[in-house]
Amino acid sequence: DTAVSQTPKYLVTQMGNDKSIKCEQNLGHDTMYWYKQDSKKFLKIMFSYNNKELIINETVPNRFSPKSPDKAHLNLHINSLELGDSAVYFCASSPTSGRGSKTQYFGPGTRLLVL
Amino acid sequence: AQTVTQSQPEMSVQEAETVTLSCTYDTSESDYYLFWYKQPPSRQMILVIRQEAYKQQNATENRFSVNFQKAAKSFSLKISDSQLGDAAMYFCAYRGGRLGNEKLTFGTGTRLTIIP
Repeated sequence: DTAVSQTPKYLVTQMGNDKSIKCEQNLGHDTMYWYKQDSKKFLKIMFSYNNKELIINETVPNRFSPKSPDKAHLNLHINSLELGDSAVYFCASSPTSGRGSKTQYFGPGTRLLVL
Repeated sequence: AQTVTQSQPEMSVQEAETVTLSCTYDTSESDYYLFWYKQPPSRQMILVIRQEAYKQQNATENRFSVNFQKAAKSFSLKISDSQLGDAAMYFCAYRGGRLGNEKLTFGTGTRLTIIP
């Protein structure tokens, strides 16, 4: 009965590779997000999707491409991985109306290590 | 742009005592939301408490309460009767109220240690 899930939880890969992180929420929310947490624990928004439409793109390199096949899923694909991409990536979701609206609920995070 | 400042990188408190974590923010918006999230070593981001800017009453959730001072743009978190399980990084976060501004802007976090 996990609310927001991410796969994989850990990802170790070589520089230059392409990788994807998947996110699914079963809360019925219509907005989903990707955040990056760097080695100093600072959290920053990357993307936001509302009903499969891109709402926020915070000057993220175009090697990062989010894909939302439906309201419940928001995947993150990263091309040509670089050392600086090593971080924890969090998916989150929120309802835009009703109880709990405006509150974001986070997945468990994916720790990405680029060697 | 909105900014969130947490001026205490680390705090410690004796078990069963009370501790207050500070947070200030800067915004030109009148409608917004403020949150405290907890991140234990498991790295899961857990919502602790939320406050709507239009509400004058301070939010409380069991042992957690906030002191929301809108004019001063201050949003501190008070943890009463601290427990060992409260040890974590605590992040203050701001969310604008208008459509298209749904992102959370986080502070740099406060690492809270509980001393048994």
